[in-house]
Amino acid sequence: DTEVTQTPKHLVMGMTNKKSLKCEQHMGHRAMYWYKQKAKKPPELMFVYSYEKLSINESVPSRFSPECPNSSLLNLHLHALQPEDSALYLCASSQGRGRSLNQPQHFGDGTRLSIL
Amino acid sequence: GENVEQHPSTLSVQEGDSAVIKCTYSDSASNYFPWYKQELGKRPQLIIDIRSNVGEKKDQRIAVTLNKTAKHFSLHITETQPEDSAVYFCAARTGNEKLTFGTGTRLTIIP
Repeated sequence: DTEVTQTPKHLVMGMTNKKSLKCEQHMGHRAMYWYKQKAKKPPELMFVYSYEKLSINESVPSRFSPECPNSSLLNLHLHALQPEDSALYLCASSQGRGRSLNQPQHFGDGTRLSIL
Repeated sequence: GENVEQHPSTLSVQEGDSAVIKCTYSDSASNYFPWYKQELGKRPQLIIDIRSNVGEKKDQRIAVTLNKTAKHFSLHITETQPEDSAVYFCAARTGNEKLTFGTGTRLTIIP
């Protein structure tokens, strides 16, 4: 019953491949997030988009490239990843600043990424 | 930046007993504190949250308390059930959209 939808659920790719992760929400939220989660660790923030503009980049390597085509969609483009990038990638959304401060973030089910 | 510490890292509780998980934060400007439950292989799911203008919030068997002076907040689960077994994360947010998570507590309910 998740309201944040992520595709694909699983992805295996080689270090020379280019792939994209997709996230979609139809709750009217204006803030969207990418997190990386390794096993037995908390989610680690990568990027935040607020009103379709990149507002936070947590010094993520350029092999990860986010894109927010519109207020409902968030992509993460992957290129030349390393084995240590294998993780669960979670997307989340919230109402965003200016709408209602401190509204909760809702997570999608994630994409489990394996780099060979 | 914000730093959130969470204790204990593991907790085993007899079914029916209460469980308490504690978090401390460093930035006095933090004003929003959610708790997430994550079952194995699943997404983090918000179970309760509290804002800095409130000292306590309760939702059925789950409650959260906030002590702004001491900069700590706690999750209380009463009458625990086997389905409460999961990893629980606390988090704190300062002003922008960034949530800082605690390191997690693996809660096991013993039948």
